[in-house]
Amino acid sequence: DAKTTQPTSMDCAEGRAANLPCNHSTISGNEYVYWYRQIHSQGPQYIIHGLKNNETNEMASLIITEDRKSSTLILPHATLRDTAVYYCIVSGQGGSEKLVFGKGTKLTVNP
Amino acid sequence: DVKVTQSSRYLVKRTGEKVFLECVQDMDHENMFWYRQDPGLGLRLIYFSYDVKMKEKGDIPEGYSVSREKKERFSLILESASTNQTSMYLCASSLAGNPDTQYFGPGTRLTVL
Repeated sequence: DAKTTQPTSMDCAEGRAANLPCNHSTISGNEYVYWYRQIHSQGPQYIIHGLKNNETNEMASLIITEDRKSSTLILPHATLRDTAVYYCIVSGQGGSEKLVFGKGTKLTVNP
Repeated sequence: DVKVTQSSRYLVKRTGEKVFLECVQDMDHENMFWYRQDPGLGLRLIYFSYDVKMKEKGDIPEGYSVSREKKERFSLILESASTNQTSMYLCASSLAGNPDTQYFGPGTRLTVL
């Protein structure tokens, strides 16, 4: 069972920032927030993960609220190639739990 | 860059056939995974392996077996394919120290007639 809630779909204009929200109100202290995406007909792609501090890499930024009950993935300048399903996953770093992919958010970047 | 390759992008088999799906990773990852993805059901873990010759059942192992004779290769076997095994099969790998950062292959779309 997915421990996260995400909107089913979102739209974003090309060149603008895409902000994808995720609620994970039951997250426990040792669980990380992971983000993956899946472009049509491809395997999922790891984007970023974090525990409690904000994180940034070459693909995106991850903002986690202080109470850790929600987070936002930010694609700073969305392109058409960012159109994909984005999955927010809460995981205990490979303990007894496995990655559980929910339904994700279908992000459509429009020209 | 991590590369995970799968032996076929598309495969068509008949009911009752034995099917082998091969996955190879080139980054010396300890962990390897097999998932299937179906519309409305998302990705579901079939089996995973954290070392050569080691395997663990995932959420839906019935009807499948796996083999890991070499670190870089993880095979999924359908002993007697059935139509309800028509699906997209995805292989992934990860480091032992960072098991949830998984790198996926492109997938094999298997159709069982």
